[in-house]
Amino acid sequence: AQKITQTQPGMFVQEKEAVTLDCTYDTSDQSYGLFWYKQPSSGEMIFLIYQGSYDEQNATEGRYSLNFQKARKSANLVISASQLGDSAMYFCAMREGPSGGSNYKLTFGKGTLLTVNP
Amino acid sequence: DSGVTQTPKHLITATGQRVTLRCSPRSGDLSVYWYQQSLDQGLQFLIQYYNGEERAKGNILERFSAQQFPDLHSELNLSSLELGDSALYFCASSVEMGGPNEKLFFGSGTQLSVL
Repeated sequence: AQKITQTQPGMFVQEKEAVTLDCTYDTSDQSYGLFWYKQPSSGEMIFLIYQGSYDEQNATEGRYSLNFQKARKSANLVISASQLGDSAMYFCAMREGPSGGSNYKLTFGKGTLLTVNP
Repeated sequence: DSGVTQTPKHLITATGQRVTLRCSPRSGDLSVYWYQQSLDQGLQFLIQYYNGEERAKGNILERFSAQQFPDLHSELNLSSLELGDSALYFCASSVEMGGPNEKLFFGSGTQLSVL
């Protein structure tokens, strides 16, 4: 079974509008972390936002917010006021592992290609 | 700029050859991770080093090896290269061994093309 599922291969949004990128995850661990990364066409992976499994509040970083619904195992990324520079591939990732352990690997979804139209 | 430096940015080589990819982590980061990104497999975790020691292994082929040196830079060695090894190879680093809330910072990657 896939650990991270991003069901939207591609998304389009108009400049200045908000967009939600979906991510669902699968884990039996109690302690885990959820991340979103942005990969523009230049190739680098840029960290956007993080949500811990024990965090009660949804994470926010500027125009990015993470809609964390633990019972549904979803961690959707919301980008407000989209900009042309937001056009990129977006990856959801999960870090899981045994509590107190040391080897937490990061597993990525397949990604969503976001295109912002002027 | 993430602070993680990877060289070279591009590498073109032939099948059967051996190449070395280099990574310098962010200042103060003790963990280095290697990832492979290809169109069919997506982003795959290869291997992690912490303070010079191997900590975790993922889908790394036997033809591939890595090490982390005392100055904490890391090298990924790929040998007997095949066409299917063509991919973008990322290095990432984190401060500690990688707890669930530890962020990973990625370099800009090395694009390997095997012809």
